[in-house]
Amino acid sequence: SQQGEEDPQALSIQEGENATMNCSYKTSINNLQWYRQNSGRGLVHLILIRSNEREKHSGRLRVTLDTSKKSSSLLITASRAADTASYFCATDARRDDKIIFGKGTRLHILP
Amino acid sequence: EPEVTQTPSHQVTQMGQEVILRCVPISNHLYFYWYRQILGQKVEFLVSFYNNEISEKSEIFDDQFSVERPDGSNFTLKIRSTKLEDSAMYFCASRRDTRETQYFGPGTRLLVL
Repeated sequence: SQQGEEDPQALSIQEGENATMNCSYKTSINNLQWYRQNSGRGLVHLILIRSNEREKHSGRLRVTLDTSKKSSSLLITASRAADTASYFCATDARRDDKIIFGKGTRLHILP
Repeated sequence: EPEVTQTPSHQVTQMGQEVILRCVPISNHLYFYWYRQILGQKVEFLVSFYNNEISEKSEIFDDQFSVERPDGSNFTLKIRSTKLEDSAMYFCASRRDTRETQYFGPGTRLLVL
């Protein structure tokens, strides 16, 4: 399975601190994406990183990809209360394939 | 910014009834998907659709499920005879190209009683 698995399952940090979430997967991929989901709501796309990229930034988000270790990390800097959500990595391997989601990391930002 | 829309946002139905979930993908997108998320669990792939036919389907997508693109804008998921275990959030997604991001709709929360 090319399933992504996030680590940790849950993370609580103080507002203003940085949050790091990790994702591991099993097979070769074309892209890896990170999504955010607020409780019971839709999936918001955060960032896509291609297999030939090593790092990507978007605002307070930084994503890294290490294809040799089959892992990715999502860093949220200067966290805010509004960042409280579940974060999922999702991988796709073939041109017309689905994306496979991990179980997610539940991030809670403490005031 | 264009977005994927889904209707209804919530649907309650009796076991054995048929439901149709509707999606309007982003207009210039060519690849369409349905996923579902049972409460508290991860998002699972159901089916992908391209060029008016199913590209791939999961084990979940059995004979009770069907998809259709009846016109140039809508993409529907039909469940013929709902079961209790079909209760979940159903997400539609679309993308322009297989190298690009899949954009998700807000979901339809289906409750089967």
